[in-house]
Amino acid sequence: AQKVTQAQTEISVVEKEDVTLDCVYETRDTTYYLFWYKQPPSGELVFLIRRNSFDEQNEISGRYSWNFQKSTSSFNFTITASQVVDSAVYFCALSEAMDNAGNMLTFGGGTRLMVKP
Amino acid sequence: EAGVTQFPSHSVIEKGQTVTLRCDPISGHDNLYWYRRVMGKEIKFLLHFVKESKQDESGMPNNRFLAERTGGTYSTLKVQPAELEDSGVYFCASSQFGQRGDEQFFGPGTRLTVL
Repeated sequence: AQKVTQAQTEISVVEKEDVTLDCVYETRDTTYYLFWYKQPPSGELVFLIRRNSFDEQNEISGRYSWNFQKSTSSFNFTITASQVVDSAVYFCALSEAMDNAGNMLTFGGGTRLMVKP
Repeated sequence: EAGVTQFPSHSVIEKGQTVTLRCDPISGHDNLYWYRRVMGKEIKFLLHFVKESKQDESGMPNNRFLAERTGGTYSTLKVQPAELEDSGVYFCASSQFGQRGDEQFFGPGTRLTVL
């Protein structure tokens, strides 16, 4: 069965620090998708990124970057030069591609990031 | 374009009462999902509609939960009778194509408190 673990429940940094949010996943499928969502105080989950299991290229989008390593089953998320507006709960999620897997997302427990001015 | 909306944002009910949650997906999205997060736990999948049909309801916890999507537009999730362990945040999401790996767009959730 699939599982996503976000070991860091809460992280606190000072503005302009870099911070990495860890995500480790388990799946028996060879084809799968990994996601990161951000949950700001308003409550909705905001999509940040999707990667498929065949694409291990790291990705950078502005201050955000993602490091996907199949060898360690990890999909870590780094925010460079953090800002107060980055304060939110961040969720990592997995979607398997097996025929009977459905379209459901399996979420990690979330990491609450607090960026202090 | 309007996002996924959910109503109410908060609901406080007594144990044994009935509550109905509503989700309006993004217009044109045939796929609608319900998830919930109970206190201190992960967000868990409940079910998936394709238009008005239940594609996957493997996550529904028990028969006190009834989800409907008449006409393939908005969906309701009824809890009857509510129990204390049903407290949590109920999220709705929608996607256009329903293919594995599709981005699911989430609503703000309904926070349900059962006293």
